Amino acid sequence: DAKTTQPNSMESNEEEPVHLPCNHSTISGTDYIHWYRQLPSQGPEYVIHGLTSNVNNRMASLAIAEDRKSSTLILHRATLRDAAVYYCILRDYSGEYGNKLVFGAGTILRVKS
Amino acid sequence: GAGVSQSPSNKVTEKGKDVELRCDPISGHTALYWYRQSLGQGLEFLIYFQGNSAPDKSGLPSDRFSAERTGGSVSTLTIQRTQQEDSAVYLCASSARGEGGEAFFGQGTRLTVV
Repeated sequence: DAKTTQPNSMESNEEEPVHLPCNHSTISGTDYIHWYRQLPSQGPEYVIHGLTSNVNNRMASLAIAEDRKSSTLILHRATLRDAAVYYCILRDYSGEYGNKLVFGAGTILRVKS
Repeated sequence: GAGVSQSPSNKVTEKGKDVELRCDPISGHTALYWYRQSLGQGLEFLIYFQGNSAPDKSGLPSDRFSAERTGGSVSTLTIQRTQQEDSAVYLCASSARGEGGEAFFGQGTRLTVV
């Protein structure tokens, strides 16, 4: 499985944008970049995913570097409810076991009021 | 129901007993995953079922752990001769096959081995 590298933790002020980085220098051409987050005492939830182009949805934006070796999850206005562990995951849909989902350590995001 | 359902939500068992944890995935989802999360730790991948393919068991920590998925739907994770280090939250997720296959997680089963 291709690996990702994320900072252990980050801190943000409420109402300000947050940029969560992820490095994936060994990404392959068939890997999609997925982001999930886990709120305290809950199971993980999907945030966003993309392949090559930047993506936007109601929760966040995903900016993907041109060489695809890194990406950034952007929360446009952090709220206290965004405090969670954020996971950047590479997911290859090809092959018999495409779709496998393996979590790394993630980034703990703390939001200050 | 509309989501992934896991049962029981809590389980306390004595060391050495066997336990079975159940997962009902979202109808039509071909992929089913099991994870373990110990207190304050990350999600540890256990096993992955994809359609009719043989499961990917590469994450099972020992031969005391096994899982099956009947009829491509409900899955059971079995832990034999439980040990105290098996105490954790066991999470199940399911997703549709394909690029848009967002994974949906259940609320988990909290297992305590005493």
